[in-house]
Amino acid sequence: EIVLTQSPGALSLSLGETATLSCRASQSVTSSYLAWYQQKPGQAPRLLIYGASSRATGIPDRFSGSGSGTDFTLTITRLEPEDFAVYYCQQYGRASWTFGQGTKVEIK
Amino acid sequence: QVQLVESGGGVVQPGGSLRLSCAASGFAFSTYSMHWVRQAPGKGLEWVAFIRFDGSDKFYPVSVKGRFTISRDNSKNTLYLQMSSLRPEDTALYYCAKDGGDYALAFGQGGQGTLVTVSS
Repeated sequence: EIVLTQSPGALSLSLGETATLSCRASQSVTSSYLAWYQQKPGQAPRLLIYGASSRATGIPDRFSGSGSGTDFTLTITRLEPEDFAVYYCQQYGRASWTFGQGTKVEIK
Repeated sequence: QVQLVESGGGVVQPGGSLRLSCAASGFAFSTYSMHWVRQAPGKGLEWVAFIRFDGSDKFYPVSVKGRFTISRDNSKNTLYLQMSSLRPEDTALYYCAKDGGDYALAFGQGGQGTLVTVSS
């Protein structure tokens, strides 16, 4: 099973700043099968990025994904109040889906 | 708009059984593969089960394999999760999700999940 490790565990930033979230895999991940999600308290997760870099429907271009192999990044530019949430990466491989432990983006 | 409404959660004793349902609307349910995902209180996300659009393939993680069974009724636009031999560590909020493309998961708008509590 591929283990995803996200860093940092929490990130404290101000409105308008840029958040850079990391997701590292224990083995190489097929880039097409790496996704990112946003979850706010009391809500279901929302798909942001699939295929490592493709934005899901309705996701603003402030959100971008990049990376390949074992290292992937979610970048959120010009942080807005609604962006403060927990973010998870997720991969698929060999009939198994796994999530990272999450990164919390907090208002400074 | 994709709507996925989970139900069937509750309090059950260790070793007990429970069946969850997920009513789908706003998309062509019979053409999409589906998942169950859970989240223990204050914890992260854990994938629980997958079923292909036609029911031909079903996959589970080791943590639930042999205890949980995913199924679907395409005529009723409904997904199910039969859970048996429940353990305290199965306590979680359970969400259903549709295939989001490239093996990603798309959760329903406004989905609240259904809470399963395993306790004596």
